[in-house]
Amino acid sequence: QKEVEQDPGPLSVPEGAIVSLNCTYSNSAFQYFMWYRQYSRKGPELLMYTYSSGNKEDGRFTAQVDKSSKYISLFIRDSQPSDSATYLCAMSAMYSGGGADGLTFGKGTHLIIQP
Amino acid sequence: DGGITQSPKYLFRKEGQNVTLSCEQNLNHDAMYWYRQDPGQGLRLIYYSQIVNDFQKGDIAEGYSVSREKKESFPLTVTSAQKNPTAFYLCASRSRGERDTQYFGPGTRLTVL
Repeated sequence: QKEVEQDPGPLSVPEGAIVSLNCTYSNSAFQYFMWYRQYSRKGPELLMYTYSSGNKEDGRFTAQVDKSSKYISLFIRDSQPSDSATYLCAMSAMYSGGGADGLTFGKGTHLIIQP
Repeated sequence: DGGITQSPKYLFRKEGQNVTLSCEQNLNHDAMYWYRQDPGQGLRLIYYSQIVNDFQKGDIAEGYSVSREKKESFPLTVTSAQKNPTAFYLCASRSRGERDTQYFGPGTRLTVL
């Protein structure tokens, strides 16, 4: 079983729809959860950051973490064509400096918002 | 502007050649990372460095080498021992004093001819 599972898509939705992107994970030690957005041939940019369980909202974006189910979600409201990109989930067990402190990434979901 | 720069944006290499990818950051971050991204495989960690003059192998270090002589710079050399080097290479950095996450550069696309 992979540590982080993410459906690669593509996920195609009409403009204005609510988008739901998800990742599941197996390592119960993960405490820090991130979503990155990556446009084609560009570096990933940090979109959302959450610690432990709960929700976090930033504009049209809401990140949700359910540690009991080992499941995280990113919701995009009023989706726009400019939201078309690959969305990567990432997570980490240890705060900075603790051993092998690289992030564990999902493979990314390719999202297409149709005008 | 603070950020991470990578150069060149595109790089072409002949088989048997070593090439060096540049990564510079002016964010005053301590830790720096190199990832490789291939279609359908996500990001894979090559090397990382938490402080100057120290670095550790990631999951796929074979055929790569790095140095960390300055806090701002973390160059990656792709050697001729790397059998399948064509990929998108991403550099990232993170500060110990900030929230536990990483910030990425724009990437370098390496193609072996």
